Amino acid sequence: IVMTQTPLSLPVTPGEPASISCRSSQSLLDSNDGHTYLDWYLQKPGQSPQLLIYLVSNRASGVPDRFSGSGSGTDFTLKISRVEADDAGVYYCMQRIDFPLTFGGGTKVEIK
Amino acid sequence: EVQLVQSGAEVKKPGESLKISCEGSGYKFIDYWIGWVRQMPGQGLEWMGSIYPGDSDTRYSPSFQGQVTISVDKSISSTYLQWNSLKASDTAMYYCATNNVWGTYRFDYWGQGTLVTVSS
Repeated sequence: IVMTQTPLSLPVTPGEPASISCRSSQSLLDSNDGHTYLDWYLQKPGQSPQLLIYLVSNRASGVPDRFSGSGSGTDFTLKISRVEADDAGVYYCMQRIDFPLTFGGGTKVEIK
Repeated sequence: EVQLVQSGAEVKKPGESLKISCEGSGYKFIDYWIGWVRQMPGQGLEWMGSIYPGDSDTRYSPSFQGQVTISVDKSISSTYLQWNSLKASDTAMYYCATNNVWGTYRFDYWGQGTLVTVSS
């Protein structure tokens, strides 16, 4: 399954919203259990990646509520309601409905 | 607190073998899938494979099948990533990652990464 993210780079002013798109080449909906297996990760500069969102829209523990995920089937969006300086880094979507697990190419969020 | 601690940076020559490790603590190691992820310099994340410590069931990405071996030692809560003959193109940061939800492959917890440099 090919994961395509847009844009590649996203300059954002603090306090403004930001949106990242992720599209999969096949549906990520598992008809057996009703779950859609799409997660979002953030890799801050010089750090290991961290889980932000799992199963499309569930925030991981400790993730601020300014982060939200939405979408279905093959089209997904990560939104940051009001960007903060600490949100800088590369955001990746990942599908885990099927092997091999695959990541999107990443979106670099730069704070203006 | 869940922790994954990886072995230190390695500098190797092409053709040499290498085994890097990832030790889990703060959770029941054998119950959760643990994966390995490669990040080449300046590039994105690539899933290499995952192993279930309980029975050593291992899944590989086709891109890495036959190129690396993932193994586990339950007795010391550790998983390993091994190469028999390194290439310069294996130069990368390697992360292990796991979760605390049975039967899932997502990555809630990450190691600090092991930088592998292969150069003659």
